[in-house]
Amino acid sequence: GDSVTQMEGPVTLSEEAFLTINCTYTATGYPSLFWYVQYPGEGLQLLLKATKADDKGSNKGFEATYRKETTSFHLEKGSVQVSDSAVYFCLAQGAQKLVFGQGTRLTINP
Amino acid sequence: NAGVTQTPKFQVLKTGQSMTLQCAQDMNHEYMSWYRQDPGMGLRLIHYSVGAGITDQGEVPNGYNVSRSTTEDFPLRLLSAAPSQTSVYFCASSYSTGTGGYGYTFGSGTRLTVV
Repeated sequence: GDSVTQMEGPVTLSEEAFLTINCTYTATGYPSLFWYVQYPGEGLQLLLKATKADDKGSNKGFEATYRKETTSFHLEKGSVQVSDSAVYFCLAQGAQKLVFGQGTRLTINP
Repeated sequence: NAGVTQTPKFQVLKTGQSMTLQCAQDMNHEYMSWYRQDPGMGLRLIHYSVGAGITDQGEVPNGYNVSRSTTEDFPLRLLSAAPSQTSVYFCASSYSTGTGGYGYTFGSGTRLTVV
């Protein structure tokens, strides 16, 4: 069945460090791919998405490129801030439903 | 504001009690789904619906019932709560973008504790 594998956390970085959170998927066909973010005490918010191969999603300084050849959708940010501390979820869209990765907790220290 | 509304935000149940988690959306989305979030396990699909009158099981359906009598509402019922159902529950609605993708909106979650 469809599945999403994320880099295990927790991840702790210093402010202004470069961030990569790996995500790979297995799915039938070419699913849409998403990154969602969950800040402490809040629900899920869409961060970015890509709907086809080679698409790049970007938002708030974060980027992820849909790589069909490696079935990956890694999340990157060049310079993280304390306010980026949250749990990040990689998702693949299956038939009418989403498949979630297990989530990666990110903590940014000042 | 348009979106997905979940109630209640917090709930404590005793083992064996029943309750319904409410989910309503006002965006006329076709698809709705329920997920539970457990530490270290991400979100897992409980049940989903592709339209009024149509529901199907997800990854972890046992102990939960759903119905979809209207496009707007998708309640999740716990018939006999168990401590293993302690979790945070998220409802989502989604629609086809028409170009092969889907758009999703999530509710703010319900934190359920079963003692």
